[in-house]
Amino acid sequence: KAGVTQTPRYLIKTRGQQVTLSCSPISGHRSVSWYQQTPGQGLQFLFEYFSETQRNKGNFPGRFSGRQFSNSRSEMNVSTLELGDSALYLCASRGDWAILYGYTFGSGTRLTVV
Amino acid sequence: KNEVEQSPQNLTAQEGEFITINCSYSVGISALHWLQQHPGGGIVSLFMLSSGKKKHGRLIATINIQEKHSSLHITASHPRDSAVYICAVKETSGSRLTFGEGTQLTVNP
Repeated sequence: KAGVTQTPRYLIKTRGQQVTLSCSPISGHRSVSWYQQTPGQGLQFLFEYFSETQRNKGNFPGRFSGRQFSNSRSEMNVSTLELGDSALYLCASRGDWAILYGYTFGSGTRLTVV
Repeated sequence: KNEVEQSPQNLTAQEGEFITINCSYSVGISALHWLQQHPGGGIVSLFMLSSGKKKHGRLIATINIQEKHSSLHITASHPRDSAVYICAVKETSGSRLTFGEGTQLTVNP
């Protein structure tokens, strides 16, 4: 079955702009979580959605937001971009039987803010 | 102190060597994950453990819940094993993953 699909793969934005990233989970997976990876901070949890509801949120400013649609696809939005938002953004999906199957990660979106 | 600590940070080995990467954590967990990340960013989930030991090919992962410690072993290492290996824990109190800083493994031919 198809894996987790993230679009776009690469993105260059200017400071102050906003950006929307997309994640399509594995078919049947209702949970989607988002992560930011930077050289200095490593991988950090952003938020998790389950059945269109945000279930958990990491320690990021309100400029970072997300949503999940009825087909489980998820988007994350970053407004008023800062240079420090340059990172690899990863999403992961997991099925209801997560105890058995764990997480499947997408290839990520590499965002560069200039 | 990070909730999840890995050692070593960097590891260089010769092809064929047995490799061990360690992960210690300080919180209660419901599961521990070992992830592999190749240059370019894609992450592959290698193992999910809640107790005992799992084996897949040349990879073995163990966890000791009482000692809050896990190890990832690679037998007969190969240059294609070169990657960053990341330990991540899912805390019992929530659904988020907390990550270690990763171990950069380089296997030379």
